[in-house]
Amino acid sequence: GAGVSQSPRYKVAKRGQDVALRCDPISGHVSLFWYQQALGQGPEFLTYFQNEAQLDKSGLPSDRFFAERPEGSVSTLKIQRTQQEDSAVYLCASSLAGGLGGETQYFGPGTRLLVL
Amino acid sequence: GENVEQHPSTLSVQEGDSAVIKCTYSDSASNYFPWYKQELGKGPQLIIDIRSNVGEKKDQRIAVTLNKTAKHFSLHITETQPEDSAVYFCAASKTGTASKLTFGTGTRLQVTL
Repeated sequence: GAGVSQSPRYKVAKRGQDVALRCDPISGHVSLFWYQQALGQGPEFLTYFQNEAQLDKSGLPSDRFFAERPEGSVSTLKIQRTQQEDSAVYLCASSLAGGLGGETQYFGPGTRLLVL
Repeated sequence: GENVEQHPSTLSVQEGDSAVIKCTYSDSASNYFPWYKQELGKGPQLIIDIRSNVGEKKDQRIAVTLNKTAKHFSLHITETQPEDSAVYFCAASKTGTASKLTFGTGTRLQVTL
């Protein structure tokens, strides 16, 4: 079946612009995660949803970052007033169960954001 | 919070040789340890995982070992092939949280002919 999809795959933004990144998780997956991957680094956790509830947003770097999953499926990560340090690959992952631990997370291809 | 260290950062082996990547973690409550392979321009793909109630797990040419006392775990790839060339990440998480993964910094594996 279809895996996790993300759009756009590439986004170039001018500093100060707002951007919205979309994630379509695997159908039926309860848990959805957003990670940020800087060049040459491992992914770093941003936020977690269980269905439509955002249960953990401890990794969001500032209040310019906002994520939602209103109907418990598609999720959007929004970055307001982008800055150069926001340039990174944004990865979305989903897992079948309720995030209690030990479930496989399936990653999408990521959105590469470049802020000029 | 959890901290995962990974080494080496780069590894070059000849085709057919074995490759070993090592990780250490800091949180003794961590109990799930997946390994991901990431190819250029793609998202991480799970290749094998291990839970804390198991000391070793093998899947064809890939094996993972876990030492809970020392808080380290390793990935072993035998009979390496050129298509094994990629960046490999270890990660750790624990039950009862959102299962968020804490990743290592990655190992770039190059398998030469």
